[in-house]
Order: sequence, then C-alpha cells, then structure tokens
Amino acid sequence: EVQLVESGGGLVQPGRSLRLSCVVSGFTFDDYAMHWVRQVPGKGLEWVSGISWNSGDIGYADSVKGRFTISRDNAKNSLYLQMNSLRPEDTAFYYCAKDIIRPWNVDPQFDYWGQGTLVTVSS
Amino acid sequence: SYVLTQPPSVSVAPGRTARITCGGNNIGSKSVHWYQQKPGQAPVLVMSFDSDRPSGIPERFSGSNSGNTATLTITRVAVGDEADYSCQVWDVISAHVVFGGGTKLTVL
Repeated sequence: EVQLVESGGGLVQPGRSLRLSCVVSGFTFDDYAMHWVRQVPGKGLEWVSGISWNSGDIGYADSVKGRFTISRDNAKNSLYLQMNSLRPEDTAFYYCAKDIIRPWNVDPQFDYWGQGTLVTVSS
Repeated sequence: SYVLTQPPSVSVAPGRTARITCGGNNIGSKSVHWYQQKPGQAPVLVMSFDSDRPSGIPERFSGSNSGNTATLTITRVAVGDEADYSCQVWDVISAHVVFGGGTKLTVL
C-alpha cells in the first residue's frame, strides 16, 4: 500500500522558518519525481515545488521562489520542504504528492497524495 | 501565466449526468488531469491525460479535451460523487504546474 505521511506543520510567526517532511512507503521512492502542493482552507490547489528522482532538477512556483527549498533523501524515502521568510499568505495545508515518472517537469501529474500538514503563519 | 477557468459549482440530480468544464487558451494542445477531493481528504487522481481512467476509478467517469475546453463527465451521478473537482495542466512556457480553481459538485 502506498503511503505518504507529512509532518512538521504548525503555527509560526511571520518571517520565521519551518521545515516540512514527507515519509513515503509502498513504492520505490527513487523511481519518481515528487512535489509539494498547498491549499488554503476552502480554496483551490496551488503547486509549490517539484524535484526529480535524483534531485538533479528542481522547480518552484513564483510565489515561493527564493524562500522555499525542496529536497529529498532517497536513502530515507523522504521529501522535505524548507520554508524561510514565511508570510501570512503561506498559510495552507501542504501536501506531498508523487509523480508518475522520474523527471518533475515532463507533464507532471500526481497519482498519490499525503493527507497534508497545516502551516499557519500568524503573529 | 497560463490560466485555467472552472465554474465554481455544478449541481445535478442523482442518476443524471454531470459535466465539469475547464477552460484555457488552446487547452486542447495540453494534457489535462483531473482530481477529486472530498471534504477533509486529500485529492485523488480520477482522470489522466485527458481521458485515461486510473485503476479503481469507475467507468462512469470520462474525459475529453478539445479547443479551449476540457470536460470531465460523470454519468449516473451518485451522492458519493459529491466533491470538489480540479483540473491541472503543465505549462511548458512558464515551467509551472497549473490548477484550475476547482468546481464543487453538488448532487441534489
């Protein structure tokens, strides 16, 4: 059974940092690209970042570029999102999502998702 | 940047057919993927590459894509199909994944 479990969310003040983690099981992690997608409660989905199977290629949404860093540790079956200089508009549920192929930037689509972790940025 | 437009809501009676649209400039030239999201749950991929149903998705779900509109069609709609449905494409020009705003399907 494929499982993706996010952790690391919580309440943080504007300008501070937070690191999200996603541990996966049930598939060969280093065979697939991975992504982070966020969702403001009650609103639509927004892609945040993608990373190829070997970390060789990475992409970011304009809204987070320069502030967020995606990474992965294939030995630990884990995906990460380092979020710096957080803003109130970053408040959202953050989902990790599995792609169907190795590169993140070849018509990505997400066949498995975690349950999400809530990040709240507020003073 | 590329924009996908969905109607905020669609209502349909049980047993009838629901059609959820996703509009975008020449979207027919892109591959469209659809996700279903029920309250409090993670999204689920229900349609891939315009019209491919992932394993486990009922045959009642189908998709099409042409011109400026992609459509997710659900026949014999059931109460259990009530959810938010979002379309998604890859915009090669901006190198960004783009989601539509989502459509809330209500089964009356």
